[in-house]
Amino acid sequence: AQTVTQSQPEMSVQEAETVTLSCTYDTSESDYYLFWYKQPPSRQMILVIRQEAYKQQNATENRFSVNFQKAAKSFSLKISDSQLGDAAMYFCAYRHSNSGYALNFGKGTSLLVTP
Amino acid sequence: GAVVSQHPSWVICKSGTSVKIECRSLDFQATTMFWYRQFPKQSLMLMATSNEGSKATYEQGVEKDKFLINHASLTLSTLTVTSAHPEDSSFYICSASRTGRNTEAFFGQGTRLTVV
Repeated sequence: AQTVTQSQPEMSVQEAETVTLSCTYDTSESDYYLFWYKQPPSRQMILVIRQEAYKQQNATENRFSVNFQKAAKSFSLKISDSQLGDAAMYFCAYRHSNSGYALNFGKGTSLLVTP
Repeated sequence: GAVVSQHPSWVICKSGTSVKIECRSLDFQATTMFWYRQFPKQSLMLMATSNEGSKATYEQGVEKDKFLINHASLTLSTLTVTSAHPEDSSFYICSASRTGRNTEAFFGQGTRLTVV
């Protein structure tokens, strides 16, 4: 079974600064996907960024980027130029390469953004 | 992007009654849908995998007779909480993906169930 670990229950960042959220995972598979989801107070799950395990290049989406270290099974999320609207719960998730498999979520990191 | 609609957004019911939650993929066909449960300040826990035209696959510890899942079409899955009790109060979320490899999961808005 795959496990996803987020070791930071809460993080705080000042507006316009950069913050990194940590995620490690355990799997015996070589082909899989990793995701970061954002859950604001509305509780709607929003996909932030996705990484395919067979791609060495780190994924980037505007102010969001990941540091994917496959050998270390690490998948951290970097948020640059933090904005007040970034405040939310962030979940790291693992999924088999086939979309017929469910997402396996970490426990989440609550991100607070201060003015 | 694809849309998954979940209804109702919130529901209050009395102990002992049943509640049905619908999950619809609005612009794509979903062979597989997933039902998650989320307690306050906790992560999403997979309850079951719903497969169109066949029985759902339940995770260990989830009572299949209490949480009835029906996936009658490629665009609709329903979760019925039968004989609800206060401990069933929670946030329930569904998700669906297009079939294939490089596809993301789309989530419904979630349903907040309160059993009184």
